[in-house]
Amino acid sequence: QVQLVESGGGEVQPGRSLRLSCEASGFDFTSFAMHWVRQAPGKGLEWLSVISFDGDKQYHADSVNGRFSVSREDSKKTLYLQINGLTADDTAVYWCARDRSSGDSSGFLAHWGQGTLVTVSS
Amino acid sequence: QSALTQPPSASGSPGQSVTISCTGSSSDVGGYRYVSWYQHHPGKAPKLMIFEVSQRPSGVPDRFSGSKSANTASLTVSGLQAEDEADYYCSSYAGDGKFVFGTGTKVTVL
Repeated sequence: QVQLVESGGGEVQPGRSLRLSCEASGFDFTSFAMHWVRQAPGKGLEWLSVISFDGDKQYHADSVNGRFSVSREDSKKTLYLQINGLTADDTAVYWCARDRSSGDSSGFLAHWGQGTLVTVSS
Repeated sequence: QSALTQPPSASGSPGQSVTISCTGSSSDVGGYRYVSWYQHHPGKAPKLMIFEVSQRPSGVPDRFSGSKSANTASLTVSGLQAEDEADYYCSSYAGDGKFVFGTGTKVTVL
């Protein structure tokens, strides 16, 4: 079955960088677009980033463009999210998610990890 | 890329129906069929309930239905059950490879 496991969260100081990972199993990782989504405490879901199934295209939400970078390492079946210049506003649960169907992204997020908590605090 | 607008809350008694709206623009909801809905119980991962405006993934009860008119999408939950109490979010493709979620609606089963 499809499984996504995030890691890399924790408490980090403002201004520092962090790389989140999402290890995938149970499906052909190379065939699916992958996304990152977060939820800050008391707030709604926020779409962050998507990377195409072949890694050729990456898109980020305007709110994080320039600070966030999504990448994938197919040999390790792992998705990454690099976050630079962390601020308190980045405190959130971060999920990776897989598109429902293979190929180009439709944004229909049918599979989600359990999430990893990032807390930005001095 | 502004968040889609949803009512903060909605409620109904068991067995009743509730409809949640999701208003965007011609640049997102109105321009594409890439509209989906998610159910989110706090502390858990969100769950896809509707995709491509009105399609239900396997395993989602047919009590859940979706539709769209112009720049507004809607999710209707018929025959409300206690387990339907959750937060619901719409999502849409917003062009240029990007996506956007709605502001979220808390559904309460009275």
